[in-house]
Amino acid sequence: GAGVSQSPSNKVTEKGKDVELRCDPISGHTALYWYRQSLGQGLEFLIYFQGNSAPDKSGLPSDRFSAERTGGSVSTLTIQRTQQEDSAVYLCASSLAVWDEQFFGPGTRLTVL
Amino acid sequence: DQQVKQNSPSLSVQEGRISILNCDYTNSMFDYFLWYKKYPAEGPTFLISISSIKDKNEDGRFTVFLNKSAKHLSLHIVPSQPGDSAVYFCAAREYGNKLVFGAGTILRVKS
Repeated sequence: GAGVSQSPSNKVTEKGKDVELRCDPISGHTALYWYRQSLGQGLEFLIYFQGNSAPDKSGLPSDRFSAERTGGSVSTLTIQRTQQEDSAVYLCASSLAVWDEQFFGPGTRLTVL
Repeated sequence: DQQVKQNSPSLSVQEGRISILNCDYTNSMFDYFLWYKKYPAEGPTFLISISSIKDKNEDGRFTVFLNKSAKHLSLHIVPSQPGDSAVYFCAAREYGNKLVFGAGTILRVKS
C-alpha cells in the first residue's frame, strides 16, 4: 500500500542556497508533521499541520525555515540560505487524525557543504 | 535540554535472550509514550505505546513498562530475534500530538 513518500531521498547543496523538500502523506490523513534528525540526535519536531487549522510552527529553528501544505495534502519544507548546521535527515509523518499513530516517510538526507 | 533521554547508545543481546531498552523523561505533562523502530534508510515505524494511566502494555514479544514516579519507561523484547536488530526510539507525546524523541538505542541481536 502507499505509505508516506518523500523526495528527494538525498540532497547535497552549497551553503547559502535554498532547498525544497517534498512530502506526500498517506491519502486521507489530515495531520502532517515534519521532524529532523541531526547526527547522533533524536528526532526533533519542526512543524505540524492539522486540517485547515493554522500550523504549529513552534519547532522551526529559525526564520530561514518555512513549510506549506497545499490542498490539505502535499507539503513542502523550504530552507533558505542553508547553513552547514542544517545538514540532517528530514522526516515527514502523517496521521489520520490528530491523536492517531504517525506514519513516517523514509526521509530526505540533506547535506550542506 | 533533552526532555526524553535514552542513555544507552547501543545494546548487544544474544538471540533468544531478553532485550531491555530504557528511557527517562523529565516533563511530567507527557501523557502518552511510544516506542518506534527504525531500520537504515527507512522511516521509524510504530512499535508499541502506553498511556500514562497504565504501568504496562504487552503486544506479543514486546512489553512496555512505565514508572511514572521515576519518570522511566522500558521496552522488553522476549525472546530477541536477529530481525529485531534496529535503532529503537522512545518518544513522548506533547499537546497537539507533537512527539518528543530520545536519541535512540542501537540494538544488535546476535545469532
